[in-house]
Amino acid sequence: DQQVKQNSPSLSVQEGRISILNCDYTNSMFDYFLWYKKYPAEGPTFLISISSIKDKNEDGRFTVFLNKSAKHLSLHIVPSQPGDSAVYFCAASAKDSGTYKYIFGTGTRLKVLA
Amino acid sequence: GAGVSQSPSNKVTEKGKDVELRCDPISGHTALYWYRQRLGQGLEFLIYFQGNSAPDKSGLPSDRFSAERTGESVSTLTIQRTQQEDSAVYLCASRKGGVSTDTQYFGPGTRLTVL
Repeated sequence: DQQVKQNSPSLSVQEGRISILNCDYTNSMFDYFLWYKKYPAEGPTFLISISSIKDKNEDGRFTVFLNKSAKHLSLHIVPSQPGDSAVYFCAASAKDSGTYKYIFGTGTRLKVLA
Repeated sequence: GAGVSQSPSNKVTEKGKDVELRCDPISGHTALYWYRQRLGQGLEFLIYFQGNSAPDKSGLPSDRFSAERTGESVSTLTIQRTQQEDSAVYLCASRKGGVSTDTQYFGPGTRLTVL
């Protein structure tokens, strides 16, 4: 049972345009959401997060939107740059016995074309 | 070092052999996680250590998998009698403390290939 889903395995965007990566979840107990970015042969690096008490969090070119009623979050990158080309994972966490383990989606490979 | 380190970076083994993977967390981080990523899939939680508490082993796929951590230092993940389905990148992450919003920081992973 995939609790966190990223239905688009890949996305190509022209440099300077907006990249929108989507993520859906099924577990209503999730209260914290994150986006990680992964380059080949490296571990995932934290990008941005959002708590369930908010519906938007912005950090520079990156904005995460959370729609709790739809159980949907999205990551907007604007303007997109070639260095943003990577695999992006969304992750969700719940206060489950204090473990705070992350449940990850399968990732979306973003390619920003120069 | 400043980040999470893992060794070896790559491991090729024959089916049936045991392997041991190592993780050095960020100094001072009390929480440590092991995940694995199979080809084309997301990261899959394996096990969680928090200080001296009993570990959360709920993600371990079989009794061939085990992990240890001494205090708040190094952790080792051991896979006994490896199978081809164990081939994956094994990632370790550490987190500062017990607050839900503390970020997990990942190491570069160990790519395990079972022939």
